[in-house]
Amino acid sequence: DVKVTQSSRYLVKRTGEKVFLECVQDMDHENMFWYRQDPGLGLRLIYFSYDVKMKEKGDIPEGYSVSREKKERFSLILESASTNQTSMYLCASSSPSVGQPYGYTFGSGTRLTVV
Amino acid sequence: AQKITQTQPGMFVQEKEAVTLDCTYDTSDPSYGLFWYKQPSSGEMIFLIYQGSYDQQNATEGRYSLNFQKARKSANLVISASQLGDSAMYFCAMREQSTGANNLFFGTGTRLTVIP
Repeated sequence: DVKVTQSSRYLVKRTGEKVFLECVQDMDHENMFWYRQDPGLGLRLIYFSYDVKMKEKGDIPEGYSVSREKKERFSLILESASTNQTSMYLCASSSPSVGQPYGYTFGSGTRLTVV
Repeated sequence: AQKITQTQPGMFVQEKEAVTLDCTYDTSDPSYGLFWYKQPSSGEMIFLIYQGSYDQQNATEGRYSLNFQKARKSANLVISASQLGDSAMYFCAMREQSTGANNLFFGTGTRLTVIP
């Protein structure tokens, strides 16, 4: 069964800490994404990557960075966590062809609380 | 401008009845895809149904159907014979071919509650 695995389901971190959210996919997908989900705002794209070591900013990249050293792993980094980064974080991967609509797979999410 | 608009923050439906969840979209790309996802309280995003911009017929998947009105730029989800397990958040999303990496743009979601 193909899947996207996020390393933590729940995380509590202190303000100012450096936080790593890990995402691993086993589908050999080129594209990987990090979304943030907040009530009333839906899912907003933070960063995405279309290849190893490649990254592109999404709609809300401020305060975040990413790393993709291997095809299957895409990490989201909060350089100095702040309380306004308390949120649900969802990782996804996809195949690149528009003709493959079922290619998106999401992880179960990481609910991060910054105190 | 919002690419995906869902105007219903919450909806209620009686068990076994049908319900329509609204979605309108905005794009100038002639090639795009529209998706609906279900998110139960457990948090995972479950793919429900897909409609391509060039598809001639409305997509259907079991109890789910997509009412695609291209000229009006709407892609409403219809759930027939609602079940208690349908209670969840529902998100409409769009992918434009011109974006290259194919990231999805999401709406703000509709919380559906099925009443016994």
